[in-house]
Amino acid sequence: SQQGEEDPQALSIQEGENATMNCSYKTSINNLQWYRQNSGRGLVHLILIRSNEREKHSGRLRVTLDTSKKSSSLLITASRAADTASYFCATDARGYSTLTFGKGTMLLVSP
Amino acid sequence: DTEVTQTPKHLVMGMTNKKSLKCEQHMGHRAMYWYKQKAKKPPELMFVYSYEKLSINESVPSRFSPECPNSSLLNLHLHALQPEDSALYLCASSQDHFDEQYFGPGTRLTVT
Repeated sequence: SQQGEEDPQALSIQEGENATMNCSYKTSINNLQWYRQNSGRGLVHLILIRSNEREKHSGRLRVTLDTSKKSSSLLITASRAADTASYFCATDARGYSTLTFGKGTMLLVSP
Repeated sequence: DTEVTQTPKHLVMGMTNKKSLKCEQHMGHRAMYWYKQKAKKPPELMFVYSYEKLSINESVPSRFSPECPNSSLLNLHLHALQPEDSALYLCASSQDHFDEQYFGPGTRLTVT
């Protein structure tokens, strides 16, 4: 399966701390995306990083991609209680017709 | 308008009922998706429409029947569902298959 594996499955931190979650995948990709899902709601696209990019920033988010290790990380700096959500990576594996979502990391940010 | 709307928000149906879920987008996106999501699991792809044609059916039971009446609308017709079909049903759209997807808020379905 191409499904990405997020690590850790769950992460609990205090407001103001940084949160890092990782995604590993199995086959070559063209790009990798990160999504956020607040409890019981639709997913929201956060950032897309292409296979020829190594790092991308968007506000308090920083995404890295290491294609040699087939892994990506999402860093949320200065976390807020509102960042509490599940975070999914999604890949467009070559040979597959659509995005494949990973299992997700549940992030809890306590005030 | 970057919104995908879904109706209804919640649906409770018996195993003999027939109901429909609706999804709408006005972003001119050519790909539209139905996902099923169980609690604490990732979205599971059910169907993909590309240019109003069904392009992917992920071996979904026939009690789920998708329909794309036009480029902005996507329906999911439900009939004779099982309790294990209870889940959050998400609709999404994107310009193309591997572009960022815009998700609706979902329909929380309970089958009794």
